[in-house]
Amino acid sequence: AQTVTQSQPEMSVQEAETVTLSCTYDTSESDYYLFWYKQPPSRQMILVIRQEAYKQQNATENRFSVNFQKAAKSFSLKISDSQLGDAAMYFCATSNTGNQFYFGTGTSLTVIP
Amino acid sequence: DVKVTQSSRYLVKRTGEKVFLECVQDMDHENMFWYRQDPGLGLRLIYFSYDVKMKEKGDIPEGYSVSREKKERFSLILESASTNQTSMYLCASSLAPGGLGNEQFFGPGTRLTVL
Repeated sequence: AQTVTQSQPEMSVQEAETVTLSCTYDTSESDYYLFWYKQPPSRQMILVIRQEAYKQQNATENRFSVNFQKAAKSFSLKISDSQLGDAAMYFCATSNTGNQFYFGTGTSLTVIP
Repeated sequence: DVKVTQSSRYLVKRTGEKVFLECVQDMDHENMFWYRQDPGLGLRLIYFSYDVKMKEKGDIPEGYSVSREKKERFSLILESASTNQTSMYLCASSLAPGGLGNEQFFGPGTRLTVL
């Protein structure tokens, strides 16, 4: 079984500052991916970033980067230079070989102007 | 761009009604998924399908069924709607080959209220 835990239901950040969203997971899969999805108030979920568990190098997508600690089963998302458009619900997820996703409970991010 | 559409953004039904939620994707994806999203619970998988006429139960299939007669369309059916099925329903699709890391693309969601 796979479980994903997001311990921060709500976070806030000042515009232009950096914020880190936490995620821990548990899985029995030998190979898996980790994902961060963003759900803006309009409700369409979009992929922010993904990381293959076998890759040691942390994934980066523009202002978004991850800190992947495999031994600790931790996968945090760092947002640099936060913008008003980053305000959303963020979900962490893992996948299995059948492309089934297991989602955390989400973190609601507020960006303060 | 992949587009996943859902038949309704908002739906209000009465207890006991049969409810159909439709999802269509336009990128020839093999995999399709139905989730429900509730505050504090995240997204929970109801059913998924790897191919036409195939279906697999997810974590919370009770009270739901699905139909996939065509590759692009995946329907979620509430046989007899109950108030505890009031929720946001999200559909998603993904490619099958190399499935492990494939992104799931989501529809806009259907907010269902059962009175």
